[in-house]
Amino acid sequence: GAVVSQHPSWVICKSGTSVKIECRSLDFQATTMFWYRQFPKQSLMLMATSNEGSKATYEQGVEKDKFLINHASLTLSTLTVTSAHPEDSSFYICSASTGALGNEQFFGPGTRLTVL
Amino acid sequence: LAKTTQPISMDSYEGQEVNITCSHNNIATNDYITWYQQFPSQGPRFIIQGYKTKVTNEVASLFIPADRKSSTLSLPRVSLSDTAVYYCLVARGGFGAGTRLTVKP
Repeated sequence: GAVVSQHPSWVICKSGTSVKIECRSLDFQATTMFWYRQFPKQSLMLMATSNEGSKATYEQGVEKDKFLINHASLTLSTLTVTSAHPEDSSFYICSASTGALGNEQFFGPGTRLTVL
Repeated sequence: LAKTTQPISMDSYEGQEVNITCSHNNIATNDYITWYQQFPSQGPRFIIQGYKTKVTNEVASLFIPADRKSSTLSLPRVSLSDTAVYYCLVARGGFGAGTRLTVKP
């Protein structure tokens, strides 16, 4: 149980285009979903936290107009990278939490974004 | 967010027990401590979670002292496949630098 999927697993796009990444909790309802970005050899950096039906809370330094997050249902959250540039190339990982005691996060497999 | 501090890297040999300690001096009363394992180009994988004292599952043990300002992940008899980065997490979202464990033959 507690499986989180991401789609696509990798994507290559041209500079200036937008890319949408989906995060789904397959067998549980996620009250909270998190989006992380990870550069090579570095730790996960939290970008934003989203609760179903509410606006996402972005971490300091993360542009909310560039990284659009939608958490429309208890099983789906999307991250859209708008007007992507080469510096946005990274490994994007989502996680989901049921909000139960312990707040354990279940992580997706990640999405590798390469912007040319 | 409670900041965590771990050793940057550790080396071990197959069959040995490995203990990785994480410091989290600002842990909140209601924070649980969770450890994750991450392989390159994969999402983190849950290892173990605890609140206080000792927790054990089929892959690891977690030791938490009474003041909860630190925790130790214990991996018994590591194998080459345990080479990965290990993170402790004590509050939503706050990943530290992690510990890169290298298991040698």
